[in-house]
Amino acid sequence: GENVEQHPSTLSVQEGDSAVIKCTYSDSASNYFPWYKQELGKGPQLIIDIRSNVGEKKDQRIAVTLNKTAKHFSLHITETQPEDSAVYFCAASNSGGGADGLTFGKGTHLIIQP
Amino acid sequence: DTGVSQNPRHKITKRGQNVTFRCDPISEHNRLYWYRQTLGQGPEFLTYFQNEAQLEKSRLLSDRFSAERPKGSFSTLEIQRTEQGDSAMYLCASIGSGTGGVGYTFGSGTRLTVV
Repeated sequence: GENVEQHPSTLSVQEGDSAVIKCTYSDSASNYFPWYKQELGKGPQLIIDIRSNVGEKKDQRIAVTLNKTAKHFSLHITETQPEDSAVYFCAASNSGGGADGLTFGKGTHLIIQP
Repeated sequence: DTGVSQNPRHKITKRGQNVTFRCDPISEHNRLYWYRQTLGQGPEFLTYFQNEAQLEKSRLLSDRFSAERPKGSFSTLEIQRTEQGDSAMYLCASIGSGTGGVGYTFGSGTRLTVV
């Protein structure tokens, strides 16, 4: 089955700086790569996603890049703000929303230092 | 209905007791998933429904676990004879058909503590 590795496990950046979180996946059939933000006591919230036919996607301060050849994808957050502090999860899916759902990485605890 | 609703939010139970959780997905979503999340880990897939049919189960779902979605709307997850290792956050997610697998929406979860 799919295996998703995520790094780093903890990332501390100064407010206003950029943050980058990286993930690798093992199943070349994976075709959907979402990123979730999870705040304490809440469920994961989708912040951005990318399909395998696209190399990059941007939404305001958040961007995701995908390298299918290397089987890795990254989340980029620019101009970080205190409210960006949370745990971020990458995930991969190879079934188009079908049986196996999403395989998640172990998460990155992002800390924004004021 | 603008989101996935899960009840209860928290459940503390004694080892050996049975517990049941409920998930109400987004009304137009026909696919419903259950995940389990332990501390410091990402969510792990447990089982999946398309309408009322349970189509896939993870090997994580032991015989003590059972899930239903009787009318293709809400779903329940029951754990019988709970063990301390069952302590986790149980998350429900839903997604509509025809989306190409894009845009799972998660509920806030039910946190189970087995004492």
